[in-house]
Amino acid sequence: GAVVSQHPSRVICKSGTSVKIECRSLDFQATTMFWYRQFPKQSLMLMATSNEGSKATYEQGVEKDKFLINHASLTLSTLTVTSAHPEDSSFYICSARLPSRYEQYFGPGTRLTVT
Amino acid sequence: GDSVTQMEGPVTLSEEAFLTINCTYTATGYPSLFWYVQYPGEGLQLLLKATKADDKGSNKGFEATYRKETTSFHLEKGSVQVSDSAVYFCALSEKGNKLVFGAGTILRVKS
Repeated sequence: GAVVSQHPSRVICKSGTSVKIECRSLDFQATTMFWYRQFPKQSLMLMATSNEGSKATYEQGVEKDKFLINHASLTLSTLTVTSAHPEDSSFYICSARLPSRYEQYFGPGTRLTVT
Repeated sequence: GDSVTQMEGPVTLSEEAFLTINCTYTATGYPSLFWYVQYPGEGLQLLLKATKADDKGSNKGFEATYRKETTSFHLEKGSVQVSDSAVYFCALSEKGNKLVFGAGTILRVKS
C-alpha cells in the first residue's frame, strides 16, 4: 500500500513553455502532498505543501507564480512550471502523507529538462 | 530551526561488510525520525522510522535506534550487499509537519 505515482517520468521542453507534472496517491487519500526539488548529488529542497481544497503553502524563496500547485482532489496534486527556463531543469519529487500519520510516501520523480 | 546532519560520503564498502551511517539532529520538540533510500534515477523510499525515544526501526536488515540523549539515529546493517548501493537520507518531522532532510550519504558496495 501507500503508492504514489508521478507523470511524466521525464519531460523535455523548450524555454518559455509551461510544463505540468501530476502526482497521484494510488491506494489512499492524501489530504496533504508535498513538492520537492532535487539538484544533482544534493538533498531534497521542499518547495511547497499542498493541502486539498486550499492554497498551497510555499517555502521561502520559491516563486508561487512560477511554480503553480493545485490539489484538486484527495488523490491528485499538480505542479505547473510556467515559462520554464534552463535553470528550472531539475528532478521534481512529490510525496503524500497518510492521514493521521507522520511518514511521507514519495513518487518516483520527474526529470525536467528545459532546452 | 530543525536540522539533520549526516556523515559525508561516499561510503565505499566491500560486500558483507558492516555499515554505519551516522545521523544527528537538532529539534525543538520530539520529532519522528526516518531513513529514506534513493536508488539511481528513482524517488525516495521509506526504509525505516522511529517515533519516540528508544524505539528501534528496522527493515531489510537495516536498523536504527532513536537516541534522545545523544540526539542521534544512526543507520546500521550487519552485512551489506551490492544491491544496497544507493543514497541514504536521514530525516525528521515534528508533529507530522514537513520533513527536514540531511544532505544524504552515498553508499557504494563493491563485490
